[in-house]
Amino acid sequence: SQQGEEDPQALSIQEGENATMNCSYKTSINNLQWYRQNSGRGLVHLILIRSNEREKHSGRLRVTLDTSKKSSSLLITASRAADTASYFCATYGNNRLAFGKGNQVVVIP
Amino acid sequence: GAVVSQHPSWVICKSGTSVKIECRSLDFQATTMFWYRQFPKQSLMLMATSNEGSKATYEQGVEKDKFLINHASLTLSTLTVTSAHPEDSSFYICSARRFGAGTGPYNEQFFGPGTRLTVL
Repeated sequence: SQQGEEDPQALSIQEGENATMNCSYKTSINNLQWYRQNSGRGLVHLILIRSNEREKHSGRLRVTLDTSKKSSSLLITASRAADTASYFCATYGNNRLAFGKGNQVVVIP
Repeated sequence: GAVVSQHPSWVICKSGTSVKIECRSLDFQATTMFWYRQFPKQSLMLMATSNEGSKATYEQGVEKDKFLINHASLTLSTLTVTSAHPEDSSFYICSARRFGAGTGPYNEQFFGPGTRLTVL
């Protein structure tokens, strides 16, 4: 069963703008991860946030986690055309990853 | 490091035939591999978990006789779609968990590039 579920979004933004996407999940987790998928390709791991962490940064990425609300957000700052992709959150629990629905982000040069 | 390959990257077959997809961890040993399928514009759905030397564990609703999984070594798992039909057309992605990574909270899986299956 799928645990992580984003609000289904299709974001279209101008290069240089920030992109924010959200994810909600249903059960307790050990960690939550964000992945990027370019069209027709495999997944690239972006960032992992542990259940005892509230915020984490990696380059232009900022992830927040609110375990009380069972939600997470991914912010991409100063977006680039190369950021055009689908972004998925995934929760790790019960020895497996469960993926959310994904957010399609299009960055217009 | 931590590269996972899949072969073939795409395949077209006739209805009723069987197709085998390979998933290899190239530079690490993987005790556990996972198989997902993804329909266009949708998320990844876990099909089965494959452990080296033992039978795969299938998710609810996935036919084990339809999707045969073999994990014969620490670097290779195969998924065979038997008697394929057009509704089996999908993007199949494998991932591998590094041997020794355990199942702790810092688990990370490495994903293959996917295999596009089209059944005519």
